[in-house]
Amino acid sequence: SQTIHQWPATLVQPVGSPLSLECTVEGTSNPNLYWYRQAAGRGLQLLFYSVGIGQISSEVPQNLSASRPQDRQFILSSKKLLLSDSGFYLCAWSLLAGVADTQYFGPGTRLTVL
Amino acid sequence: AQSVTQLDSHVSVSEGTPVLLRCNYSSSYSPSLFWYVQHPNKGLQLLLKYTSAATLVKGINGFEAEFKKSETSFHLTKPSAHMSDAAEYFCVSHTGTASKLTFGTGTRLQVTL
Repeated sequence: SQTIHQWPATLVQPVGSPLSLECTVEGTSNPNLYWYRQAAGRGLQLLFYSVGIGQISSEVPQNLSASRPQDRQFILSSKKLLLSDSGFYLCAWSLLAGVADTQYFGPGTRLTVL
Repeated sequence: AQSVTQLDSHVSVSEGTPVLLRCNYSSSYSPSLFWYVQHPNKGLQLLLKYTSAATLVKGINGFEAEFKKSETSFHLTKPSAHMSDAAEYFCVSHTGTASKLTFGTGTRLQVTL
């Protein structure tokens, strides 16, 4: 069966520091991968998605970037964190890019920028 | 453009009573629709999905949803609430482009004794 991992689970970082969040998927090949952010009391916002190694699409302009160095690894990064980067970051995967596709979410990373 | 509207930001029910979480969609074509549940500080778990097959969809934990095209609705129901159902519920539609999902703003379900 497929599993998705995220780490760290929680992170507290000072403003201006770098960020690296990691997401890995097991039990499948060539997944579509996604990064979402959930701000306090709000819905989910799609940040990035990837349909293959080295292929990244950005949904909103921001202080963050994403990379996919391996088929089942998706990394979210920042060179200098802002207060507004605080939130709950969720990684997700899906297999198909069709109408009936389902996305499966990881456990999330709680990021607090102070 | 697709959109999803969850009509209630907060719903409170007593344990053992029915649950109704309302969702309306807006789409130029028949969408794929999902309900996800999120417990505090956890990821999202898929409850059920509609993909143009049967209009009444049964999901996990006794939840079900009915797709009503005439009303553009996809309400989530459960006959009897349990304390463990207390969580945030998201109605989600699928755009069909690179699997982009459109999320509703969520409904927080509170279950009281």
